[in-house]
Amino acid sequence: EVQLVESGGRLVQPGGSLRLSCTASGFTFVSFAMNWVRQAPGKGLEWVSLISGSAGETFYADSVKGRFTISRDNSKNTLYLQMNSLRAEDTAVYYCTKRGYSDSWGQGTLVTVSS
Amino acid sequence: DIQMTQSPSSLSASVGDRVNITCRASQDISNYLAWFQQKPGKAPKSLIYAASSLQSGVPSKFSGSGSGTDFTLTISSLQPEDFATYYCQQYRTYPLTFGPGTKVDIK
Repeated sequence: EVQLVESGGRLVQPGGSLRLSCTASGFTFVSFAMNWVRQAPGKGLEWVSLISGSAGETFYADSVKGRFTISRDNSKNTLYLQMNSLRAEDTAVYYCTKRGYSDSWGQGTLVTVSS
Repeated sequence: DIQMTQSPSSLSASVGDRVNITCRASQDISNYLAWFQQKPGKAPKSLIYAASSLQSGVPSKFSGSGSGTDFTLTISSLQPEDFATYYCQQYRTYPLTFGPGTKVDIK
């Protein structure tokens, strides 16, 4: 059974930094691209970033480009999202998902950016 | 960027109704279209990928159709557990983009 478990979300001040993690199990992690998708309170889904299985390719939404960095450690079956220069509008539940079409989702981790 | 629209934005339906939700892409995405179901306070769940392929474990009352720019999610006989918000997403081109969602509630 595929399992994705996110962690690292918390309250952070504007301008601050945070690193989210997603630990994967139940599938061959290195074989699949992984995404981060976020959902602001009461809003719809917003794709944030994708990384290929080998980590050779990364893609970002314009709203986070230059501030967020996606990475992965295939030896630890773990996906990361380094978030810098955080803004109030980054407040959201962040989900990690598997494959470009997000066939599996974690339970999400809440990031709140507020002073 | 490819813009995704959905219609209607919300609908009220009764148990047993057949429901159609439409998703439209601003440019041709072939069949690179996925559908998701989200219930309040829960993570989204994948229903369909490649426009019409049912995700493993998803009941056959859900079906998808379309290609190019116009797509439809159909629920053949609405059940109480199907009341939720449904999203489409294109994965043809980066940035990947979601539709704004369609909320299905009880009439």
